[in-house]
Amino acid sequence: NAGVTQTPKFQVLKTGQSMTLQCAQDMNHNSMYWYRQDPGMGLRLIYYSASEGTTDKGEVPNGYNVSRLNKREFSLRLESAAPSQTSVYFCASTRGDGPDNEQFFGPGTRLTVL
Amino acid sequence: GENVEQHPSTLSVQEGDSAVIKCTYSDSASNYFPWYKQELGKGPQLIIDIRSNVGEKKDQRIAVTLNKTAKHFSLHITETQPEDSAVYFCAASRNKLVFGAGTILRVKS
Repeated sequence: NAGVTQTPKFQVLKTGQSMTLQCAQDMNHNSMYWYRQDPGMGLRLIYYSASEGTTDKGEVPNGYNVSRLNKREFSLRLESAAPSQTSVYFCASTRGDGPDNEQFFGPGTRLTVL
Repeated sequence: GENVEQHPSTLSVQEGDSAVIKCTYSDSASNYFPWYKQELGKGPQLIIDIRSNVGEKKDQRIAVTLNKTAKHFSLHITETQPEDSAVYFCAASRNKLVFGAGTILRVKS
């Protein structure tokens, strides 16, 4: 099992450009999550999907959109990137329908917006 | 909403000593408290978790204690080894996980 995979690993964007971060899991998990990690601030939830076909906002959703393409895949889109979105982005999944179980994290995408 | 505070932000210990990281939370309804370890360049990985109906849980050199009345929980690592060096995050959840800011643990050999 590959677990949770994320692409790309690194990305540099100019302000105003758009891009999609891809995430896939092969553990047959129901719930998937997108976090951003900034120095000194831990991980903050951007969006989550409790099950296929549903998505909900987390703590910091502004400037992002998500798509739960199927049970395996959960993508994060930046429509018009801003320097404040420079961060490391992590995708995660859990076996159950909510976050109160072990979350399995991907290796992260390091995004820089110039 | 939930707020989780974590202390200290950095911790240096000598190999073989114990390390303690403390967290407080604000929402008394939170009922799930995991601890994650993040090594350089990797995603966080769960090392231990505790639920609100339990006061203490131990797994080899790692233990977590929970005081619901005071709304704080702690991670204890005994007999530290160089491979314990990493960033540790606590979190609290009532259907939405909120993380602390993290503690950089350095184990000096």
